[in-house]
Amino acid sequence: EAGVTQFPSHSVIEKGQTVTLRCDPISGHDNLYWYRRVMGKEIKFLLHFVKESKQDESGMPNNRFLAERTGGTYSTLKVQPAELEDSGVYFCASSQDQGLAGYSSYNEQFFGPGTRLTVL
Amino acid sequence: EDQVTQSPEALRLQEGESSSLNCSYTVSGLRGLFWYRQDPGKGPEFLFTLYSAGEEKEKERLKATLTKKESFLHITAPKPEDSATYLCAVRLWSSASKIIFGSGTRLSIRP
Repeated sequence: EAGVTQFPSHSVIEKGQTVTLRCDPISGHDNLYWYRRVMGKEIKFLLHFVKESKQDESGMPNNRFLAERTGGTYSTLKVQPAELEDSGVYFCASSQDQGLAGYSSYNEQFFGPGTRLTVL
Repeated sequence: EDQVTQSPEALRLQEGESSSLNCSYTVSGLRGLFWYRQDPGKGPEFLFTLYSAGEEKEKERLKATLTKKESFLHITAPKPEDSATYLCAVRLWSSASKIIFGSGTRLSIRP
C-alpha cells in the first residue's frame, strides 16, 4: 500500500512568488491534515479536512495560505505571496475515520515525507 | 496556554545503555498523548497512544508511560538503529483536529 506522498520534496522561491504544495493521502483516508515546522520550532497544526470539507483551519497563519481538497482526494496548499517567514517543512498526514463521538480511540496519522520550502 | 515540553533536547547513549525521554504537558483536558519517531528527511512515524494516567504501552525496546503531568519514553538496551528524533504530541478534548507537538528529543546511539 502506498503511503502519503508529497510534491515537490523541495521548493526554492523568491519572496512575493506563489508556491503550491500537493499532498496525496493514503487511499480511503477521509482525514487529511497539514502541518509545518519552521526552523528551530516544533511541528504546528495548520488545518484538517474531512473529505472535501475543512473541519478545522485554526492553525492557518494568515490569508496568504489557501488549502483545498478537490473531491476529497488529494489536497493542495498554496502560499501567495510567499514571505521569508514561510520557510520551513510542510507535512501532510492522513488517517481513517476518527470516530469522533464519545471517548473514541485515536486513529494514527500517517505522515508524508514533507516539502521543504525555502523563501529567499 | 496549552504546552508540551520535551527533555532533554538531545541525548547520546552507548549501545545497550538504557535511558528515558521526558514529555511534560500543561493542557486543558488531555484526550490523548502520542509518541512519534522521526528520521532525517522523513515524516513522523507513529509509535504509541496513551489515554489515561497509569497506562503503559510497549513495542520492542520502547515503553511509554503516562502520569497526570508527564509521559516517559523508556528505551531499554538501545541499538544504533534506534537513533532518531522522538516527538511527543497531545490531543485535547477542546479540538477534534488539532495536535500539539513538543520540540522533540534527538537520540543518538553509539555502537
